Amino acid sequence: DTAVSQTPKYLVTQMGNDKSIKCEQNLGHDTMYWYKQDSKKFLKIMFSYNNKELIINETVPNRFSPKSPDKAHLNLHINSLELGDSAVYFCASSPVSGGGEDTEAFFGQGTRLTVV
Amino acid sequence: AQKVTQAQTEISVVEKEDVTLDCVYETRDTTYYLFWYKQPPSGELVFLIRRNSFDEQNEISGRYSWNFQKSTSSFNFTITASQVVDSAVYFCALSEERGDTGGFKTIFGAGTRLFVKA
Repeated sequence: DTAVSQTPKYLVTQMGNDKSIKCEQNLGHDTMYWYKQDSKKFLKIMFSYNNKELIINETVPNRFSPKSPDKAHLNLHINSLELGDSAVYFCASSPVSGGGEDTEAFFGQGTRLTVV
Repeated sequence: AQKVTQAQTEISVVEKEDVTLDCVYETRDTTYYLFWYKQPPSGELVFLIRRNSFDEQNEISGRYSWNFQKSTSSFNFTITASQVVDSAVYFCALSEERGDTGGFKTIFGAGTRLFVKA
């Protein structure tokens, strides 16, 4: 069973469209994240959710919005897609958001978004 | 400010060579966590190791070893007798406590691409 799964794996869409990427984790973790990896492979955190509360929101355009229907899911909605949004987006989860030993993140396989 | 530097953009070695990937970090916190992740050509991110700031003991796992030195703020990763399957991008990451909203904030280094040739 896949611990952190995200769909779709590939997404090609036109500028201006609205799209969503889904993420589910079956690890029972408290915190979920979205990361963006650009063409230079640089990973940057976008959001994290802990028990349905947004606790980190980096300088991400408000066209991006995370939606967490429950603790096991954190979906990423993107409105009015732009060419610069093309990247690989990773979902991740970790047991706790802070403190203790269990802070490492487990990642999904990534979604390659291409905006044309 | 929190910062992770992986100065080596790309490293190329021949199979069976030993290779060390450097990671230097900056933090003002006394409590923090350091990580290494592997991203093979298939694209997924694989967790390799976590080390907390109070544990400077070096760790060895098979052909992998990690050298954590607080005095130089470094957390280097060595692969002994490298293999072609080790070819990947390796990321070092730092997680430290946020002062405002609580929780931890993690940032990644830019990654080091390792090529292991047969």
